[in-house]
Amino acid sequence: ETGVTQTPRHLVMGMTNKKSLKCEQHLGHNAMYWYKQSAKKPLELMFVYSLEERVENNSVPSRFSPECPNSSHLFLHLHTLQPEDSALYLCASSQGLLTGDGYGYTFGSGTRLTVV
Amino acid sequence: GQNIDQPTEMTATEGAIVQINCTYQTSGFNGLFWYQQHAGEAPTFLSYNVLDGLEEKGRFSSFLSRSKGYSYLLLKELQMKDSASYLCAVRVLSGGYNKLIFGAGTRLAVHP
Repeated sequence: ETGVTQTPRHLVMGMTNKKSLKCEQHLGHNAMYWYKQSAKKPLELMFVYSLEERVENNSVPSRFSPECPNSSHLFLHLHTLQPEDSALYLCASSQGLLTGDGYGYTFGSGTRLTVV
Repeated sequence: GQNIDQPTEMTATEGAIVQINCTYQTSGFNGLFWYQQHAGEAPTFLSYNVLDGLEEKGRFSSFLSRSKGYSYLLLKELQMKDSASYLCAVRVLSGGYNKLIFGAGTRLAVHP
């Protein structure tokens, strides 16, 4: 258990479905992140939250909608996705946005999303 | 822009030594990390360098040269369980806060 839990681990959805990914961290961290990991590509930073406030949206299509109700929970709401959105979606947390410690981020195991 | 390069795949023999290189061109450098990621699992922290030189931690060592924009991860006495992807990531100060920029990862296969 890494301290960051993501559910579900696997998700298959149709292009007209609506689903949500959930992330929970038990580390007392103040910053949380969503990354997209596609085969043979670098992790792409999608959203950054600090103390429940979104501080970055990296030109992500509106069919991805994040929500951070408190500093321990992060959601990614999905609707009308495209097949090219199939990827591993990783959640991560860190102590804070300006923390320069030597630990970086703690990642969850990810949700493997397949859009059919 | 920010760019991080590392080899796509490497193979090595059990018991041997392997070096995985990483070169980066970034602005606002604030540390370099190496993560290990087994298939279907979370990336896990391996090492951190912020000053030039070598950091050793058991079988794993990491080196940084900030002037050359270069790092490597050295794995000694390779074991089968070391077969995984290794991600190089640079922490940059951008837009007023720190963020991690990742390379595409190096998939290491360890053979008997």
